[in-house]
Amino acid sequence: AQSVTQPDIHITVSEGASLELRCNYSYGATPYLFWYVQSPGQGLQLLLKYFSGDTLVQGIKGFEAEFKRSQSSFNLRKPSVHWSDAAEYFCAVGAREDDKIIFGKGTRLHILP
Amino acid sequence: IAGITQAPTSQILAAGRRMTLRCTQDMRHNAMYWYRQDLGLGLRLIHYSNTAGTTGKGEVPDGYSVSRANTDDFPLTLASAVPSQTSVYFCASSYSGKPNTGELFFGEGSRLTVL
Repeated sequence: AQSVTQPDIHITVSEGASLELRCNYSYGATPYLFWYVQSPGQGLQLLLKYFSGDTLVQGIKGFEAEFKRSQSSFNLRKPSVHWSDAAEYFCAVGAREDDKIIFGKGTRLHILP
Repeated sequence: IAGITQAPTSQILAAGRRMTLRCTQDMRHNAMYWYRQDLGLGLRLIHYSNTAGTTGKGEVPDGYSVSRANTDDFPLTLASAVPSQTSVYFCASSYSGKPNTGELFFGEGSRLTVL
């Protein structure tokens, strides 16, 4: 079965600084990978997804993520964060033969002015 | 634009009571899902439905039941609520029967407290 780990529960960065949120997955083959964002009191919104092909994936709101098979990672990056990026971010993994998406426990991003 | 509507947004109920959380979508998505979100545990899949008339168990199905009589509605029922079911519940939908190949669209959640 697939699983996903987000090592950082909280991350704090200054506005305008770069950001990288870590995600590691466990799965025997190439998984489907997702990043979702949840603003306070809201549901989740998809930032980006990887199914196959180019390992660098562009998403909404200026985010990107890179699939690295050798490291079983799918880290989320943004070159310059804005105060509105403060939210909780979830990495998720899906198996190609399974109906389920498994979510990580989330990383809460705090932005310093 | 409605998307997914969940009701109620918040509810407090006594242990042992029956409770149904409602979920309606107007996007004609064939697949629908219920997740619960708990602090430190992320989102866990309770039940899902690939199409009207079919349902399946997720990671944490015990104590919950679902039905899918039509495309738009996917209610979640707690037959006899227990305090461990205190959580925020999210309904989601997607175009394809396999959520791992498509985008999940989420409702805004239903906060349930069981005393």
